Amino acid sequence: DVLMTQTPVSLPVSLGGQVSISCRSSQSLVHSDGNTYLHWYLQKPGQSPQLLIYRVSNKFSGVPDRFSGSGSGTDFTLKISRVEPEDLGVYYCLQTTHFPPYTFGAGTKLELK
Amino acid sequence: QVQLKESGPGLVQPTQTLSLTCTVSGFSLLVYSVHWVRQPPGKGLEWMARMKYDGDTYYNSDLKSRLSISRDTSKSQVFLKMNSLQTEDTAIYFCTRDVPFDYWGQGVMVTVSS
Repeated sequence: DVLMTQTPVSLPVSLGGQVSISCRSSQSLVHSDGNTYLHWYLQKPGQSPQLLIYRVSNKFSGVPDRFSGSGSGTDFTLKISRVEPEDLGVYYCLQTTHFPPYTFGAGTKLELK
Repeated sequence: QVQLKESGPGLVQPTQTLSLTCTVSGFSLLVYSVHWVRQPPGKGLEWMARMKYDGDTYYNSDLKSRLSISRDTSKSQVFLKMNSLQTEDTAIYFCTRDVPFDYWGQGVMVTVSS
Protein backbone atom coordinates (compact mmCIF):
# COMPACT_ATOMS: atom_id res chain seq x y z
CA ASP A 1 0.00 0.00 0.00
CA VAL A 2 1.13 3.56 -0.68
CA LEU A 3 1.94 5.40 2.53
CA MET A 4 0.97 9.07 2.60
CA THR A 5 2.88 11.20 5.11
CA GLN A 6 1.46 14.62 5.94
CA THR A 7 3.32 17.31 7.83
CA PRO A 8 2.87 19.06 10.11
CA VAL A 9 0.28 17.32 12.24
CA SER A 10 -0.83 20.64 13.70
CA LEU A 11 -0.46 24.06 12.12
CA PRO A 12 -1.21 27.21 14.14
CA VAL A 13 -2.02 30.21 11.99
CA SER A 14 -3.09 33.81 12.35
CA LEU A 15 -6.03 35.01 10.30
CA GLY A 16 -4.73 36.60 7.13
CA GLY A 17 -1.57 34.55 7.23
CA GLN A 18 -0.18 32.02 4.78
CA VAL A 19 0.51 28.33 5.41
CA SER A 20 1.79 25.28 3.58
CA ILE A 21 0.95 21.63 4.18
CA SER A 22 3.18 18.87 2.87
CA CYS A 23 2.13 15.46 1.66
CA ARG A 24 4.71 12.86 0.66
CA SER A 25 4.00 9.44 -0.82
CA SER A 26 6.06 6.28 -0.42
CA GLN A 27 6.10 5.82 -4.18
CA SER A 28 5.58 7.98 -7.21
CA LEU A 29 1.98 8.99 -7.85
CA VAL A 30 2.44 9.33 -11.60
CA HIS A 31 -0.08 6.97 -13.18
CA SER A 32 0.66 4.97 -16.32
CA ASP A 33 -1.74 7.34 -18.12
CA GLY A 34 0.58 10.25 -17.29
CA ASN A 35 -1.71 11.88 -14.73
CA THR A 36 -0.94 12.29 -11.03
CA TYR A 37 -3.90 11.45 -8.84
CA LEU A 38 -3.23 13.41 -5.67
CA HIS A 39 -6.14 15.28 -4.12
CA TRP A 40 -6.72 17.55 -1.12
CA TYR A 41 -9.71 17.80 1.22
CA LEU A 42 -10.79 19.96 4.13
CA GLN A 43 -12.89 18.50 6.90
CA LYS A 44 -14.47 21.14 9.09
CA PRO A 45 -15.60 20.14 12.57
CA GLY A 46 -18.70 17.96 12.47
CA GLN A 47 -18.77 17.89 8.67
CA SER A 48 -17.89 15.55 5.85
CA PRO A 49 -14.64 16.09 3.98
CA GLN A 50 -14.93 18.50 1.08
CA LEU A 51 -12.84 18.37 -2.06
CA LEU A 52 -10.52 21.34 -2.53
CA ILE A 53 -7.93 20.33 -5.10
CA TYR A 54 -7.87 17.36 -7.49
CA ARG A 55 -5.00 15.97 -9.53
CA VAL A 56 -2.37 18.06 -7.73
CA SER A 57 -3.37 21.56 -8.74
CA ASN A 58 -6.93 21.75 -10.08
CA LYS A 59 -9.37 23.67 -7.91
CA PHE A 60 -12.79 22.13 -7.42
CA SER A 61 -15.84 24.24 -8.19
CA GLY A 62 -16.31 27.08 -5.73
CA VAL A 63 -12.91 26.75 -4.05
CA PRO A 64 -11.39 30.19 -3.42
CA ASP A 65 -8.26 31.30 -5.23
CA ARG A 66 -6.34 31.49 -1.96
CA PHE A 67 -6.01 27.69 -2.14
CA SER A 68 -3.36 26.26 -4.43
CA GLY A 69 -1.79 22.86 -4.92
CA SER A 70 1.55 21.93 -6.39
CA GLY A 71 4.08 19.13 -6.56
CA SER A 72 5.07 16.10 -8.53
CA GLY A 73 6.22 12.52 -8.14
CA THR A 74 6.19 11.92 -4.39
CA ASP A 75 6.20 15.42 -2.97
CA PHE A 76 3.12 17.65 -2.86
CA THR A 77 2.10 20.90 -1.18
CA LEU A 78 -1.14 22.67 -0.40
CA LYS A 79 -0.81 26.40 0.16
CA ILE A 80 -3.41 28.63 1.73
CA SER A 81 -2.92 32.36 1.55
CA ARG A 82 -4.84 34.98 3.54
CA VAL A 83 -6.32 32.36 5.87
CA GLU A 84 -9.94 33.01 6.84
CA PRO A 85 -11.95 31.55 9.72
CA GLU A 86 -13.79 29.13 7.43
CA ASP A 87 -10.44 27.56 6.43
CA LEU A 88 -9.92 26.06 9.88
CA GLY A 89 -10.21 22.31 10.19
CA VAL A 90 -8.32 19.18 9.21
CA TYR A 91 -6.73 18.86 5.79
CA TYR A 92 -6.18 15.47 4.17
CA CYS A 93 -4.35 14.39 1.07
CA LEU A 94 -5.47 11.32 -0.85
CA GLN A 95 -3.78 9.28 -3.54
CA THR A 96 -5.86 7.41 -6.10
CA THR A 97 -3.05 6.45 -8.49
CA HIS A 98 -2.35 3.07 -6.93
CA PHE A 99 -5.43 0.96 -6.31
CA PRO A 100 -6.52 -0.83 -4.30
CA PRO A 101 -6.43 0.62 -1.78
CA TYR A 102 -6.73 4.36 -2.05
CA THR A 103 -4.82 5.90 0.85
CA PHE A 104 -5.23 9.11 2.81
CA GLY A 105 -2.67 11.10 4.73
CA ALA A 106 -3.20 11.23 8.49
CA GLY A 107 -4.34 14.84 8.37
CA THR A 108 -3.09 18.31 9.30
CA LYS A 109 -5.11 20.36 11.74
CA LEU A 110 -5.18 24.04 10.89
CA GLU A 111 -6.01 26.06 14.00
CA LEU A 112 -5.73 29.59 15.29
CA LYS A 113 -2.63 30.69 17.14
CA GLN B 1 -28.10 18.45 -7.56
CA VAL B 2 -25.76 15.65 -6.52
CA GLN B 3 -26.58 14.18 -3.13
CA LEU B 4 -25.58 11.11 -1.19
CA LYS B 5 -27.15 10.00 2.06
CA GLU B 6 -26.06 7.18 4.32
CA SER B 7 -28.42 5.28 6.55
CA GLY B 8 -28.01 2.45 8.98
CA PRO B 9 -28.25 1.43 12.63
CA GLY B 10 -26.57 3.68 15.14
CA LEU B 11 -25.66 0.81 17.45
CA VAL B 12 -24.47 -2.69 16.61
CA GLN B 13 -23.44 -5.40 18.98
CA PRO B 14 -19.99 -6.97 18.78
CA THR B 15 -19.74 -9.95 16.41
CA GLN B 16 -22.89 -8.82 14.58
CA THR B 17 -23.20 -7.66 10.98
CA LEU B 18 -23.48 -4.01 9.96
CA SER B 19 -25.71 -3.08 7.04
CA LEU B 20 -25.46 0.39 5.55
CA THR B 21 -27.26 2.02 2.65
CA CYS B 22 -26.11 4.93 0.52
CA THR B 23 -28.96 6.54 -1.40
CA VAL B 24 -27.86 8.84 -4.19
CA SER B 25 -29.58 11.42 -6.34
CA GLY B 26 -28.52 13.74 -9.12
CA PHE B 27 -26.41 11.12 -10.87
CA SER B 28 -26.60 7.55 -12.12
CA LEU B 29 -24.92 4.56 -10.52
CA LEU B 30 -24.47 3.28 -14.09
CA VAL B 31 -22.18 6.23 -14.84
CA TYR B 32 -20.41 6.94 -11.54
CA SER B 33 -18.76 4.69 -8.99
CA VAL B 34 -19.54 4.99 -5.29
CA HIS B 35 -17.07 4.39 -2.48
CA TRP B 36 -17.32 3.85 1.24
CA VAL B 37 -14.89 5.61 3.60
CA ARG B 38 -14.89 5.44 7.38
CA GLN B 39 -13.49 7.58 10.19
CA PRO B 40 -13.09 6.37 13.78
CA PRO B 41 -13.81 9.08 16.36
CA GLY B 42 -11.01 11.65 16.40
CA LYS B 43 -9.01 9.78 13.76
CA GLY B 44 -8.33 9.88 10.05
CA LEU B 45 -10.04 8.56 6.96
CA GLU B 46 -9.88 4.98 5.69
CA TRP B 47 -11.03 3.89 2.25
CA MET B 48 -13.08 0.70 2.49
CA ALA B 49 -14.70 -0.37 -0.76
CA ARG B 50 -15.80 0.64 -4.24
CA MET B 51 -18.86 -0.19 -6.31
CA LYS B 52 -17.81 0.59 -9.84
CA TYR B 53 -20.34 1.92 -12.37
CA ASP B 54 -20.10 -1.36 -14.29
CA GLY B 55 -20.91 -3.42 -11.20
CA ASP B 56 -17.36 -4.44 -10.43
CA THR B 57 -16.31 -4.33 -6.78
CA TYR B 58 -13.06 -3.66 -4.90
CA TYR B 59 -12.23 -3.88 -1.24
CA ASN B 60 -9.54 -2.72 1.13
CA SER B 61 -7.50 -5.87 1.66
CA ASP B 62 -7.38 -5.20 5.40
CA LEU B 63 -11.17 -5.52 5.53
CA LYS B 64 -11.88 -7.66 2.48
CA SER B 65 -12.82 -10.83 4.33
CA ARG B 66 -15.54 -8.98 6.26
CA LEU B 67 -16.97 -6.69 3.57
CA SER B 68 -19.59 -7.00 0.89
CA ILE B 69 -20.73 -4.17 -1.38
CA SER B 70 -23.73 -4.33 -3.68
CA ARG B 71 -26.25 -2.04 -5.33
CA ASP B 72 -29.78 -1.60 -6.60
CA THR B 73 -29.55 0.74 -9.56
CA SER B 74 -33.33 1.01 -9.84
CA LYS B 75 -33.41 2.54 -6.38
CA SER B 76 -30.11 4.44 -6.73
CA GLN B 77 -28.75 2.67 -3.69
CA VAL B 78 -25.41 1.16 -2.77
CA PHE B 79 -25.18 -1.22 0.16
CA LEU B 80 -22.28 -2.10 2.42
CA LYS B 81 -22.26 -5.06 4.74
CA MET B 82 -19.52 -5.75 7.23
CA ASN B 83 -19.54 -8.79 9.47
CA SER B 84 -17.84 -9.77 12.71
CA LEU B 85 -17.94 -6.23 14.05
CA GLN B 86 -15.60 -5.25 16.86
CA THR B 87 -15.38 -2.12 19.00
CA GLU B 88 -12.63 -0.77 16.74
CA ASP B 89 -15.18 -0.63 13.92
CA THR B 90 -16.90 2.22 15.75
CA ALA B 91 -16.74 5.05 13.25
CA ILE B 92 -18.54 7.49 11.02
CA TYR B 93 -19.21 5.76 7.71
CA PHE B 94 -19.34 7.94 4.61
CA CYS B 95 -20.28 7.19 1.04
CA THR B 96 -18.72 9.33 -1.64
CA ARG B 97 -18.94 9.69 -5.38
CA ASP B 98 -16.25 8.58 -7.79
CA VAL B 99 -12.65 9.75 -7.79
CA PRO B 100 -11.76 12.44 -6.88
CA PHE B 101 -14.50 11.99 -4.25
CA ASP B 102 -16.18 15.21 -5.23
CA TYR B 103 -19.39 14.71 -3.29
CA TRP B 104 -19.87 13.10 0.11
CA GLY B 105 -22.80 12.09 2.25
CA GLN B 106 -23.12 13.53 5.74
CA GLY B 107 -22.01 10.23 7.22
CA VAL B 108 -23.65 7.84 9.66
CA MET B 109 -22.21 7.20 13.09
CA VAL B 110 -22.03 3.54 13.99
CA THR B 111 -21.16 2.48 17.52
CA VAL B 112 -20.17 -1.11 18.20
CA SER B 113 -21.02 -1.92 21.78
CA SER B 114 -22.85 -4.45 23.86
